[in-house]
Amino acid sequence: KQEVTQIPAALSVPEGENLVLNCSFTDSAIYNLQWFRQDPGKGLTSLLLIQSSQREQTSGRLNASLDKSSGRSTLYIAASQPGDSATYLCAVTGAANSKLTFGKGITLSVRP
Amino acid sequence: DAGVIQSPRHEVTEMGQEVTLRCKPISGHNSLFWYRQTMMRGLELLIYFNNNVPIDDSGMPEDRFSAKMPNASFSTLKIQPSEPRDSAVYFCASRTTGTSENEQFFGPGTRLTVL
Repeated sequence: KQEVTQIPAALSVPEGENLVLNCSFTDSAIYNLQWFRQDPGKGLTSLLLIQSSQREQTSGRLNASLDKSSGRSTLYIAASQPGDSATYLCAVTGAANSKLTFGKGITLSVRP
Repeated sequence: DAGVIQSPRHEVTEMGQEVTLRCKPISGHNSLFWYRQTMMRGLELLIYFNNNVPIDDSGMPEDRFSAKMPNASFSTLKIQPSEPRDSAVYFCASRTTGTSENEQFFGPGTRLTVL
């Protein structure tokens, strides 16, 4: 059974800092990995999706990497801003057209 | 596109009452997912459909929960009878299968409180 872990559960950093959010998964036979953002009381917004054949994806100040063999992904946020404060969740898909398995998320607070 | 639409956004009911949550997926998407989110357990998949057919309902907690997808543009999640431990945020998500991306798009959620 696939398990996704995100540690730590919460993180607080000063504005402007570059930071890395970690995600690990137990079964390396994944189809893709997706990073989401969730603001308090809101739904999930997809940030980046990495196919199993890819090593990384970039969108603006965000860069997600994938090391499938070691069961790890990182989300790098450059020059963090208070508006980046949210919960970040990673999720993996085991096969095409199958379900996502989510981690519990990392709650990020960026202090002005 | 309006995105995934869920209704109601908030529901407060008393224990024992029937609750029906509704979802309209993004037009053209042929997979639909129901999730439940709580502080203790995080985000859990309850059931998902491909082309209106239930594929995996192993996450449905018990017989009090049922889900239907009568057509490609509508799905319901019903709880009967509801219990206080069902209080959570319920999300619906949709995606297109048969593409290389499989990216899921989430609705805003329904916050359910059972008193």
